[in-house]
Amino acid sequence: SQQGEEDPQALSIQEGENATMNCSYKTSINNLQWYRQNSGRGLVHLILIRSNEREKHSGRLRVTLDTSKKSSSLLITASRAADTASYFCGHPPQGGSEKLVFGKGTKLTVNP
Amino acid sequence: DAGITQSPRHKVTETGTPVTLRCHQTENHRYMYWYRQDPGHGLRLIHYSYGVKDTDKGEVSDGYSVSRSKTEDFLLTLESATSSQTSVYFCATTGTAYTEAFFGQGTRLTVV
Repeated sequence: SQQGEEDPQALSIQEGENATMNCSYKTSINNLQWYRQNSGRGLVHLILIRSNEREKHSGRLRVTLDTSKKSSSLLITASRAADTASYFCGHPPQGGSEKLVFGKGTKLTVNP
Repeated sequence: DAGITQSPRHKVTETGTPVTLRCHQTENHRYMYWYRQDPGHGLRLIHYSYGVKDTDKGEVSDGYSVSRSKTEDFLLTLESATSSQTSVYFCATTGTAYTEAFFGQGTRLTVV
């Protein structure tokens, strides 16, 4: 399988705390993308980081990428109850493939 | 949802019957994907398309076929539905393999 893996599978925190989710992948990549899925809905793109970038910010989101370890992390700062969702990392494998593959996701619960 | 429509949104069908799910996009995106989402497995790629009449298999393609006769439509067919194909199916599109993907709202299929 070319799927990556998110870690942890589930995370429960209090509002105001930071949430960190990790993603490991198996192949070389051109970029890595993070998505959010609210219950019963399709995925929504959050942020894309390219293989030559090490860190990227978007609002309360901070993504890091370590290509030597084939891993990425998503940090959500000052979490809110509305951040409750599942988070997935996805990437097109390098080497000319147009596939877009995803991991199994992290289910984040932010308690008010 | 960026102009991506999946139909039907819900379907119950009997084992052994053929089923076709439709994904329609108005974004003129080149790439289209079909995924299934099951608890504990995240999103798994079934088939994808990189242009009209150009398709390729994903990691869980057995029992599924696809067709793309127009840029805007990508059809997923379950040739003879089985209970193991009960799942939520998502369609996604992207302009290139290296930019964000947009997802439909999903089709919940139950095979009884």
